[in-house]
Amino acid sequence: DTGVSQDPRHKITKRGQNVTFRCDPISEHNRLYWYRQTLGQGPEFLTYFQNEAQLEKSRLLSDRFSAERPKGSFSTLEIQRTEQGDSAMYLCASSPTAGQGLGNIQYFGAGTRLSVL
Amino acid sequence: AQSVTQLDSQVPVFEEAPVELRCNYSSSVSVYLFWYVQYPNQGLQLLLKYLSGSTLVKGINGFEAEFNKSQTSFHLRKPSVHISDTAEYFCAVTEGRFSGGYNKLIFGAGTRLAVHP
Repeated sequence: DTGVSQDPRHKITKRGQNVTFRCDPISEHNRLYWYRQTLGQGPEFLTYFQNEAQLEKSRLLSDRFSAERPKGSFSTLEIQRTEQGDSAMYLCASSPTAGQGLGNIQYFGAGTRLSVL
Repeated sequence: AQSVTQLDSQVPVFEEAPVELRCNYSSSVSVYLFWYVQYPNQGLQLLLKYLSGSTLVKGINGFEAEFNKSQTSFHLRKPSVHISDTAEYFCAVTEGRFSGGYNKLIFGAGTRLAVHP
């Protein structure tokens, strides 16, 4: 069990550019979540996958954001035409399928910090 | 809708002193409760969780928390803190279900614990 892995750890981009982040969940975890954390705030939910199906998207996820999880393994989060307001830490988490609440225990990666200049 | 309030944005404390970080939540259904810790430029690490059973739960690094349903609180405590406990602490809630269905985490804004020598 190597934990949730996110790449890159840091990304600096110019406004208007596209960026893509990758998340590798804990193996055998079929649930995957993306959160966004701005400075001084707690993480906010963006989207959820069960296997390859994207089952929920937050209103925070504008049309410029897209997430995929092909084959139910790793996931990518793409932001098109980045804006300065997109600057944040993007966190990925995974959890197993289990009853009695155990499936609600989410394990987080180290995050990708995005800075839009 | 669920929400989490962390009553203190910052808590300064001297090394070896006890500490309590306060968390209140609102929800119309049963909940699961979590405390996560975040060290600078890192992701979230699970400290402890309340899923069911005993209302006093123990976690890693000597932390414990007590679930109080009547006061809708889940305060985090440690009897003697160390310099290494300096970090951001987040309380989070999600709906409780036995079906094993997923639920997104709702986080508080965080409490910065600063331990001084």
